[in-house]
Parts: sequence; C-alpha cells; structure tokens
Amino acid sequence: QLQLQESGSGLVRPSQTLSLTCTVSGASISSDTYSWSWIRQPPGKALEWIGYFSQIGRAYYNPSLQSRVTISVDRSKNQLSLKLNSVSAADTAFYFCARVFDDYADNWGQGTLVTVSS
Amino acid sequence: DIQMTQSPSSLSASVGDRVTMTCRASQSIDTYLNWYQQRPGRAPKLLIYAPSTLQSGVPSRFSGSGSGTDFTLTISSLQPEDFGTYYCQQSYSTPLTFGGGTKVEIQ
Repeated sequence: QLQLQESGSGLVRPSQTLSLTCTVSGASISSDTYSWSWIRQPPGKALEWIGYFSQIGRAYYNPSLQSRVTISVDRSKNQLSLKLNSVSAADTAFYFCARVFDDYADNWGQGTLVTVSS
Repeated sequence: DIQMTQSPSSLSASVGDRVTMTCRASQSIDTYLNWYQQRPGRAPKLLIYAPSTLQSGVPSRFSGSGSGTDFTLTISSLQPEDFGTYYCQQSYSTPLTFGGGTKVEIQ
C-alpha cells in the first residue's frame, strides 16, 4: 500500500530556509508513470501547488515561488525533498507531498505544519 | 495562470439531499478538471478526475460533469460522512491551480 510521509522542521525563522522530506513507501519514486508534487495550504485557506518532479527527471515550479524553491528526488532513499528559502510569515502552511498521475494528485501524505516565526 | 472560482463558498444541507456545486475556469480547460474532498484536519482526497471519472473506491453518489469553463460536482444523496471542503483543480496548464473551495455542512 502506497504511503507518503512528510517530515522536517515545524518552525522556521524568517529569512531562513524551509526544508522538508517526503518518504515514499509501497512504490518506487523512480517510476516512469508518476510524478511527485508538493502542495501547500495556509491554515483555513485554499490549496496552492508548489511544484513537482516529473517522470523524466525534471522539476517544474509555480512561477510565484520559482525563485525560492527547489524540489529534488533521492532515488536511493525513495524520498522527495522541498527547499524554500527566504521564508516569511506568508509561507506558514500545511505542506503536503503527493503522487501525481496526469496532473491530478491521487495519493497524498498526511501533511505537516510549518510555522514561520521568530 | 488559470483562475478557478467555486460557488457557493459554503452550503448546508440535510442527509439525503441532492447537492450541487460549481467550478468555473477563467479560460477554457477542455475536460482537464479534477475534484478533491478534504475533511477537517485531513489531507485532500481525490474524488473525480477528467472531469467525470470516479477515483477507485469513491461512492457512486458522487458525479462530475462539464467541459470548457463550467463544471459541476453533484452528490446525489448527501451522507453524514460527506462533510468537508471540496476543491476543484485544473490540470490543463501549469501552474496547476485550485479553486477556493466549497464547504459542505450537514444540517
């Protein structure tokens, strides 16, 4: 059974870098069928797509975050990672990783709350 | 970016009611539209994709329709476990974008 589990720091200081890892079990992150995505949701607000790592090994980002975000894959650990630098309070959100097929997310992690505060 | 607008923003209905919510895209997205359900404190769950195919395991009381710019999600007979917020998402072009959600409450 496919499981995705986010982990990382729950509290980040303003201007620092947010780092999260998504550990995938029950499927290979190297699959040529799926891509792997990060999506976030500020508390009480709507979902925002951050970006994804595609089957062909390329990363695609939301232009609104492109200058600050890096998504990568560690195939040896079956993990997806997210780095978002120069964070501010506006980056406080629940962060979800998800498996994506044909640009819809068919499996999600439970999500992790990241708070940006000094 | 393609903007997705959902209406209503919230609704309250009784068990057994037929419930309909809509999603409108700022430009034509053909049939590249997906629906998710999110219960409080939980991750979203894929309900319907493209825009009328039920994800495996989703009850048949859920249905989706539409093309171009206007889409509908219908729950034929509302059940107590259907509370939560429903989001549409376009997969026509990047950046993928979501609607603002329709919150469903059970009376």
